[in-house]
Amino acid sequence: QSLLTQPPSVSAAPGQKVTISCSGTSSNIGSNHVSWYQQFPGTAPKLLIYENNKRPSGIPDRFSGSKSGTSATLGITGLQTGDEADYYCGAWDNSLINGMFGGGTKLTVL
Amino acid sequence: QVQLVQSGAEVKKPGASVKVSCKTSGYTFTDSYVHWVRQAPGQGLEWVGRINPNGGGTNYAQKFQGRVTLSRDTFMRTVYMEVRSDDTAVYYCARGLPGGFDPWGQGTLVTVSS
Repeated sequence: QSLLTQPPSVSAAPGQKVTISCSGTSSNIGSNHVSWYQQFPGTAPKLLIYENNKRPSGIPDRFSGSKSGTSATLGITGLQTGDEADYYCGAWDNSLINGMFGGGTKLTVL
Repeated sequence: QVQLVQSGAEVKKPGASVKVSCKTSGYTFTDSYVHWVRQAPGQGLEWVGRINPNGGGTNYAQKFQGRVTLSRDTFMRTVYMEVRSDDTAVYYCARGLPGGFDPWGQGTLVTVSS
């Protein structure tokens, strides 16, 4: 299974900032847009960031995305307990002609 | 608004095939790919394949080649995924946009049990 690389877990206190990294290769992140998804247990993933750094309507500006080379980062500021969820990065891979996701990062707000 | 509504949960014996539907609304059906994503219990997201409703062209992840078939009914604005499933998982459909998948269907649990 091809995966983008994410840390399994991150944690921070309420009100603080956290970043989640996503690492890939030249054929996926290096060549295509990165997206980020938020998933709560038992529910479908929800798009948080698309085209590397754009937020869909309704997503607070506490969520931000960036990309550099073959890596991307999701940033969340002003952490709230309601942000506790799993976060996934995604990108298209030109070599595999395949969608790809990271393994997911579980965010804990202490 | 844009919606993708999937068919209900299924229980299948190992090696049996199941066909899951994904009915779309709120946008021009032929303008966007529809992707399918699998999530096994306690696991991450796994891309299965995609279909272009405009023409029916498909791409599959290598792992699912030969086990999954995607099809569509343009009149019904519905995409189908037939999968020979050997393990329990939730399958999601999602509309493909430049740079992301949005929205997602609610998910269909396929339980494999002998």
